[in-house]
Amino acid sequence: ETGVTQTPRHLVMGMTNKKSLKCEQHLGHNAMYWYKQSAKKPLELMFVYSLEERVENNSVPSRFSPECPNSSHLFLHLHTLQPEDSALYLCASSQAGLGSTDTQYFGPGTRLTVL
Amino acid sequence: GQNIDQPTEMTATEGAIVQINCTYQTSGFNGLFWYQQHAGEAPTFLSYNVLDGLEEKGRFSSFLSRSKGYSYLLLKELQMKDSASYLCAVWDSNYQLIWGAGTKLIIKP
Repeated sequence: ETGVTQTPRHLVMGMTNKKSLKCEQHLGHNAMYWYKQSAKKPLELMFVYSLEERVENNSVPSRFSPECPNSSHLFLHLHTLQPEDSALYLCASSQAGLGSTDTQYFGPGTRLTVL
Repeated sequence: GQNIDQPTEMTATEGAIVQINCTYQTSGFNGLFWYQQHAGEAPTFLSYNVLDGLEEKGRFSSFLSRSKGYSYLLLKELQMKDSASYLCAVWDSNYQLIWGAGTKLIIKP
């Protein structure tokens, strides 16, 4: 049983497509995160939201656009992606956001393939 | 730059003991995590060390030496289900979470 869910689990898209990834947390947390995980590389933090406000954007290309409508939901909108964007996209949540050392709880990820 | 080093892959035998090392060079230190990640699944929290010493949780133990920038995860009585990747992550002084690339552990019968 996981407190963080992600849909879809797998996504194949062309470079001209527009798609969205969804994340939902059922833990009552106040912070949510998007990470990119590529094979044999460390997790790359993409975006952080704390109390629905974006507090971190680590030089992510504009073809990735996050949205956080409330503290339980997080989206990642994708458009005109490149093949090198193929990766596992992980969502996480924590009780508090930046400036804390709270444990982050992860969803199962969306395996994205860009053709 | 900030860096975390872990072995890329390790192999061990069912029922044995394995130690996965993690060394870090970060700007400050505010704690170290170990996560387990089975293929295609979410990373799951295993342990958090902020003070030097050994923390034991059942078959898993985690050790930290802040002066040496070193931690290890010790897995005892290995089971086939322990085959997974193990991720080490460190909070630096700016509360940035720095991740290692993970160690893939293969358990053989």
